[in-house]
Amino acid sequence: GESVGLHLPTLSVQEGDNSIINCAYSNSASDYFIWYKQESGKGPQFIIDIRSNMDKRQGQRVTVLLNKTVKHLSLQIAATQPGDSAVYFCAEKRVMDSNYQLIWGAGTKLIIKP
Amino acid sequence: EAQVTQNPRYLITVTGKKLTVTCSQNMNHEYMSWYRQDPGLGLRQIYYSMNVEVTDKGDVPEGYKVSRKEKRNFPLILESPSPNQTSLYFCASSFISTNYGYTFGSGTRLTVV
Repeated sequence: GESVGLHLPTLSVQEGDNSIINCAYSNSASDYFIWYKQESGKGPQFIIDIRSNMDKRQGQRVTVLLNKTVKHLSLQIAATQPGDSAVYFCAEKRVMDSNYQLIWGAGTKLIIKP
Repeated sequence: EAQVTQNPRYLITVTGKKLTVTCSQNMNHEYMSWYRQDPGLGLRQIYYSMNVEVTDKGDVPEGYKVSRKEKRNFPLILESPSPNQTSLYFCASSFISTNYGYTFGSGTRLTVV
């Protein structure tokens, strides 16, 4: 079936290093992708998005890369800080049976080592 | 402040006792949705609403009801809660477009004993 999935369930990174979280999707018709951050006890928080007509988008300390050829999405966090500890979800937003649905990955837990 | 507000944050109830979880957004979003989040299963959509008086089932609607009488409110109703509905619930809203992400509430942790 169609899905958005994550390669690694847990990622440990040294504080100050860069983090790269990966995501694969299977629907080549998808045209909008979002990364969310969920801290313990809180709702998912929007980080950055990218449309399919782009291959890179940068925010503050974050960069999302989209490779449509291999249907792969990644989130890069520069100079990882303790406050970046969270579960990161990629999501694909598309219309399915008139529902603007988010198709979620299972999430990657980012652990920051001091 | 633009936000989605859910209440209550925590709720412990007994099997069969009807309950309502409220959700309100102040962003004039047409689209609202309820999710439940369980360990290992990620976020699963329960119900959604494209606009006032328009609601439809998501992936896991059994045991839940919703209503959308006003644009800003989208309550989730459990007529007869059961222990398998113990979960973390999130309300989310968005503009009707594929080019907008969702804004999520802070969550409601429900325990049914």
